[in-house]
Amino acid sequence: QVQLQQWGAGLLKPSETLSLNCAVYGGSFSGYYWTWIRQPPGKGLEWIAEINHSGSTNYNPSLKSRVTISVDTSKNQISLTLTSLTAADTAMYYCARSGEGSGDHYIQYWGRGGLVTVSS
Amino acid sequence: EVVLTQSPGTLPLSPGERATLSCTASQSISSRFLAWYQQKPGQAPRLLIYGTSNRATGIPDRFSGSGSGTDFTLTISRLEPEDFAVYYCQQYGSSLTFGGGTKVEIK
Repeated sequence: QVQLQQWGAGLLKPSETLSLNCAVYGGSFSGYYWTWIRQPPGKGLEWIAEINHSGSTNYNPSLKSRVTISVDTSKNQISLTLTSLTAADTAMYYCARSGEGSGDHYIQYWGRGGLVTVSS
Repeated sequence: EVVLTQSPGTLPLSPGERATLSCTASQSISSRFLAWYQQKPGQAPRLLIYGTSNRATGIPDRFSGSGSGTDFTLTISRLEPEDFAVYYCQQYGSSLTFGGGTKVEIK
């Protein structure tokens, strides 16, 4: 059973940088895309970025200038950095894993999520 | 960017009724690249359907998906009490985008 354990969420101030981490337990780390998705309170889902074990990345164009996603295959971990935070970045942030096949970028496994609040 | 529009925004129904949820894409997408999720309050979303019509592991057969091109549908044949939730469609053929969601609420 795949488990995704996140940490790094919390209260940040405008203009600060968010750093989130996600450790993967169970299952293979390679062969999948690892993804960050966020959800503002009471609103819908927004895909942020994804990365595979080789470091190949894809970013949401609307966030690309502020986002970096990275992978540490020695620890089976992925990380997300989001710079220049504003109140609009307040959201639940989810770590997630794609489906099994090449091109299957639906989200098969989700972490529990971590709330990030941006407020002065 | 492929924009997904879900309708209706809210769907009031009673247990036992049939639910039909729509997801319309701003451009044609392969049926391989359309998924549906269920989200309950305080929980992460759960994968229901991928590739338009393939049920994920453990998903009851009262959930079914269909469609092609720009029009896709999630059908819940007979609503159970645990099915009242928000449902999202997602396309993953051209980057990844989600629809705005449909809330299935108790009438």
